[in-house]
Amino acid sequence: ETGVTQSPTHLIKTRGQQVTLRCSSQSGHNTVSWYQQALGQGPQFIFQYYREEENGRGNFPPRFSGLQFPNYSSELNVNALELDDSALYLCASSLAGRGGKDTQYFGPGTRLTVL
Amino acid sequence: QKEVEQDPGPLSVPEGAIVSLNCTYSNSAFQYFMWYRQYSRKGPELLMYTYSSGNKEDGRFTAQVDKSSKYISLFIRDSQPSDSATYLCAMTSNTGKLIFGQGTTLQVKP
Repeated sequence: ETGVTQSPTHLIKTRGQQVTLRCSSQSGHNTVSWYQQALGQGPQFIFQYYREEENGRGNFPPRFSGLQFPNYSSELNVNALELDDSALYLCASSLAGRGGKDTQYFGPGTRLTVL
Repeated sequence: QKEVEQDPGPLSVPEGAIVSLNCTYSNSAFQYFMWYRQYSRKGPELLMYTYSSGNKEDGRFTAQVDKSSKYISLFIRDSQPSDSATYLCAMTSNTGKLIFGQGTTLQVKP
């Protein structure tokens, strides 16, 4: 086990609604990254937070937003849900996010279904 | 064209076989290379981590990186049914943003 936890495990929403997903990082890790994994695909980088500030963003629209808290837990918020947002959402924690050499440890994911 | 290409398989082998999994990439800035294993409905689990070119061995697993060819491999010796999973290659430059391949589904039959 990586020590990274995510909640909820599963979530069903309807198109147009808003959703908040939560992640608790591994103890001592100050960086969290969020990824979207569609069925049969590899994870795609959404964004990364380092010490409560956004530290890089992938090709996702502004309706995907995030927060990182002083205890390094994190939230991913998605507004105006679309059917294509249905996916497994993964968070990964690491130490000292500035630099690719820091290993990212993934949580179990939240499976979001948009109807 | 995707930055990282990985054959999705599925790949089916008998127990005890040597498995070879591969990825190619286009971005010469990538320096850090990883292999993750993902069981169904679970998060990816880090298997191997390699910096730049070369080989790294850990038990039954060997990772190889050839930066001149932009090609990475993962070898699994004496494969077991418990190795049945999806294997994801991932890589990054110095940004912390991991770029993943599509994943290869492996089935090891008893």
